[in-house]
Amino acid sequence: EAQVTQNPRYLITVTGKKLTVTCSQNMNHEYMSWYRQDPGLGLRQIYYSMNVEVTDKGDVPEGYKVSRKEKRNFPLILESPSPNQTSLYFCASKQGGARSEETQYFGPGTRLLVL
Amino acid sequence: AQKVTQAQTEISVVEKEDVTLDCVYETRDTTYYLFWYKQPPSGELVFLIRRNSFDEQNEISGRYSWNFQKSTSSFNFTITASQVVDSAVYFCALSHNDYKLSFGAGTTVTVRA
Repeated sequence: EAQVTQNPRYLITVTGKKLTVTCSQNMNHEYMSWYRQDPGLGLRQIYYSMNVEVTDKGDVPEGYKVSRKEKRNFPLILESPSPNQTSLYFCASKQGGARSEETQYFGPGTRLLVL
Repeated sequence: AQKVTQAQTEISVVEKEDVTLDCVYETRDTTYYLFWYKQPPSGELVFLIRRNSFDEQNEISGRYSWNFQKSTSSFNFTITASQVVDSAVYFCALSHNDYKLSFGAGTTVTVRA
């Protein structure tokens, strides 16, 4: 089954404790991205990757890191989480290529609470 | 800069009523894509439709229909004969020929039995 998976689905942590949210897709998609969803703000892009070893900042990259060492995986790293990073996080992927008209497929979301 | 505005924060209707969700966008590009996503209470994002800027035909899919009007920069979504299962948050989104989706703030639809 074609899908985007995220782990963990729910996470409670404390300020300053490094964490990683994993994202994996089995569709051989070139493009992957991370979004965060906050009430009243919709979804905002954190980082995206157009292919292996190619990443770029979205609208709200502060406090986050990403890596793309393999095509299927795109982990989101919070080196020192703070309470303002409490949010619902979505990973997405799509078939890439410049000007691709393909639709983005979203993972199930990860709810993060930083105390 | 691109921007999507969903002015309706919440809409509440009784089952079988029609409901229209407004979406107004801003962009300087001539080529772009518009989307609607549904987020049910379970939290996942469900893709509903994609429309490119050169295709102004309205579309109907079952009880769902979309009205794209380039002249007013709007891409409105109508649910006909609403059902309780339509209760969700609906997001309108805009994308240029790049890799970023810009989302509106979302409209929460509550359908009461």
